[in-house]
Amino acid sequence: KAGVTQTPRYLIKTRGQQVTLSCSPISGHRSVSWYQQTPGQGLQFLFEYFSETQRNKGNFPGRFSGRQFSNSRSEMNVSTLELGDSALYLCATYDGGDRRIYEQYFGPGTRLTVT
Amino acid sequence: GENVEQHPSTLSVQEGDSAVIKCTYSDSASNYFPWYKQELGKRPQLIIDIRSNVGEKKDQRIAVTLNKTAKHFSLHITETQPEDSAVYFCAARGDTGFQKLVFGTGTRLLVSP
Repeated sequence: KAGVTQTPRYLIKTRGQQVTLSCSPISGHRSVSWYQQTPGQGLQFLFEYFSETQRNKGNFPGRFSGRQFSNSRSEMNVSTLELGDSALYLCATYDGGDRRIYEQYFGPGTRLTVT
Repeated sequence: GENVEQHPSTLSVQEGDSAVIKCTYSDSASNYFPWYKQELGKRPQLIIDIRSNVGEKKDQRIAVTLNKTAKHFSLHITETQPEDSAVYFCAARGDTGFQKLVFGTGTRLLVSP
């Protein structure tokens, strides 16, 4: 099976702009979670999508949003970028169904730099 | 909400020694505890996990133990090798039916030859 993929891998944006990141899960995985990784705050949960519905959300401002498509691919969007949004954005996917298979696998991440 | 504390933040050992990383969690309903290894510039890789109905799990040189009463779990690496050098993260999943992993702050392990 192909692993989790994320595009783009690197982005440089200016304060005030908006950005969209994409995540394609492992085949058969219906849940996609997004995490922000920074040296200061570590790995922080942003939100989880399952069957096109957001079913869990972390403590991030409304500028951070996401969606999931019928093929389980997910996008996250950050509007009105701030310098503090510079981070590695990781998505992670897992089965998500009733089989209680919890193993979660990460994509390579998108390195976002806000200048 | 769930909080996970991880210690130590850095750990230096000699090749062949054992390494132990400890985590504590706050939510007694948490039921799944994975460990991830992240090498510089790479994605976190799942290396071992344990569920709340199990006390210990081993996979070759790595093992994880869980003490539900004390709400702590530990990663044990035996016969360490230089390629074990990386940052290790523990995490906990609450029993909400949703996949929200709360991560510890990471342990930088350095194995010197």
